[in-house]
Amino acid sequence: GDSVTQMEGPVTLSEEAFLTINCTYTATGYPSLFWYVQYPGEGLQLLLKATKADDKGSNKGFEATYRKETTSFHLEKGSVQVSDSAVYFCALTHSGSARQLTFGSGTQLTVLP
Amino acid sequence: GAVVSQHPSRVICKSGTSVKIECRSLDFQATTMFWYRQFPKQSLMLMATSNEGSKATYEQGVEKDKFLINHASLTLSTLTVTSAHPEDSSFYICSARDLRGAEQFFGPGTRLTVL
Repeated sequence: GDSVTQMEGPVTLSEEAFLTINCTYTATGYPSLFWYVQYPGEGLQLLLKATKADDKGSNKGFEATYRKETTSFHLEKGSVQVSDSAVYFCALTHSGSARQLTFGSGTQLTVLP
Repeated sequence: GAVVSQHPSRVICKSGTSVKIECRSLDFQATTMFWYRQFPKQSLMLMATSNEGSKATYEQGVEKDKFLINHASLTLSTLTVTSAHPEDSSFYICSARDLRGAEQFFGPGTRLTVL
């Protein structure tokens, strides 16, 4: 079955540091890939997505590139802010009637001023 | 953008009682809604997939008689936790998929505490 493996946290960075959160997946075919962010006490918000190989998703300074050859979708940001502190989830889904999301375990990011 | 609401946001109940959680798509129609459960510092676990006008599909290990799901309209799904016990305490999150099926939109979650 499908699975998503994320870099274990927690990750603690200073403001303006470079961020990478690794995500690799196992799936048949060509899934769509997502990064979701969860702020404390809230539900999930879609951060960015990519639907085919070599696509780059980007939003709010975050980027991730769909790498079919390495089955990866690593999240990066050049300069993090305190407000980026949250839990980040990598996820995938297949096209089809169900389109259920398979989530990684989540990575807690804390950015210190 | 698409908005999904959940009500209540927090609920505390006594052991043995039942609790109903509502999930509404506010500005779009959702043929499919998903219910997730999240334990502290853990990922989301899919409990069931709810399709409007039909029975929900439960994931393996989820008791359908304990977690009753109703999806009576294109904008509302409810999850009822029956005879709640302390081990049911968790953060329950719903999501809704629009008619195009392109994306899931998540509700803010409901924190259930069973005493």
